[in-house]
Amino acid sequence: KAGVTQTPRYLIKTRGQQVTLSCSPISGHRSVSWYQQTPGQGLQFLFEYFSETQRNKGNFPGRFSGRQFSNSRSEMNVSTLELGDSALYLCASSLEYSGFTEAFFGQGTRLTVV
Amino acid sequence: AQKITQTQPGMFVQEKEAVTLDCTYDTSDPSYGLFWYKQPSSGEMIFLIYQGSYDQQNATEGRYSLNFQKARKSANLVISASQLGDSAMYFCAMRPDLLNSGYSTLTFGKGTMLLVSP
Repeated sequence: KAGVTQTPRYLIKTRGQQVTLSCSPISGHRSVSWYQQTPGQGLQFLFEYFSETQRNKGNFPGRFSGRQFSNSRSEMNVSTLELGDSALYLCASSLEYSGFTEAFFGQGTRLTVV
Repeated sequence: AQKITQTQPGMFVQEKEAVTLDCTYDTSDPSYGLFWYKQPSSGEMIFLIYQGSYDQQNATEGRYSLNFQKARKSANLVISASQLGDSAMYFCAMRPDLLNSGYSTLTFGKGTMLLVSP
C-alpha cells in the first residue's frame, strides 16, 4: 500500500512568487492535514480537510490557501511568497473510522524562498 | 486549546540502554489521543505509538512503550534497548476526539533530539 506522497520534494522560489504543493493521501483516507515546520516555530497547523471540506484552519495569513479534491488529493497554495515562508511543509492523512486514528505523514516538501 | 510541552531539547543515550522522553500536556477536552512521532534527518514523520485518554493500559509497540499518567497529564515515551538508528527528533502530539470536537488536528510539542552513541 502506497504511503502519503508529496510533490515536489524540494522547491526554490523567489520572493513575491506563488507556489502550489500537492499531497496524495493513502488510498481510502479521506482526511488530509497540512503542517508547516520551521526551526523557530516548530510544527504549526495549517489546514485540515475531510471529504473536500475544510473543517479546521490554523492561524496563518490569507496568502495560505488549500483545497481537497473528490479523490482526496489535496493542494496548498502560498501566494506572494516571503522569506519567512521557507519551511518544510508536511501533509498527513488519516482513515478516521473512529474518534482516534493515527495520522500518516508524507516526506514533506522543503520550500526555500530566496 | 491543547498544549504539549517537551522539556528536554536533547537527550544522549548509549546503545542498548533504555531512555525516557518526557511529555506533558494540557487540554480541556474530555477525551483525546496522544501520539509519538519520530523524525529522522530526512524529514518524514514516522508514527510510533498511540494512547487514548480512556485506555486503561499503557500502550506498547515493540521497543516503544508509552508511560501514561492521566492525573499528572504526562505521556512519556520509553525506548528500550536503544539502537543507533533511533537517533532522531521525537515529537509528542495530541489530537481531540473527532466525535466531540469535529476535527482531528494534531498539536505538537517542540520535540526532543535523541542521540544514540555506540
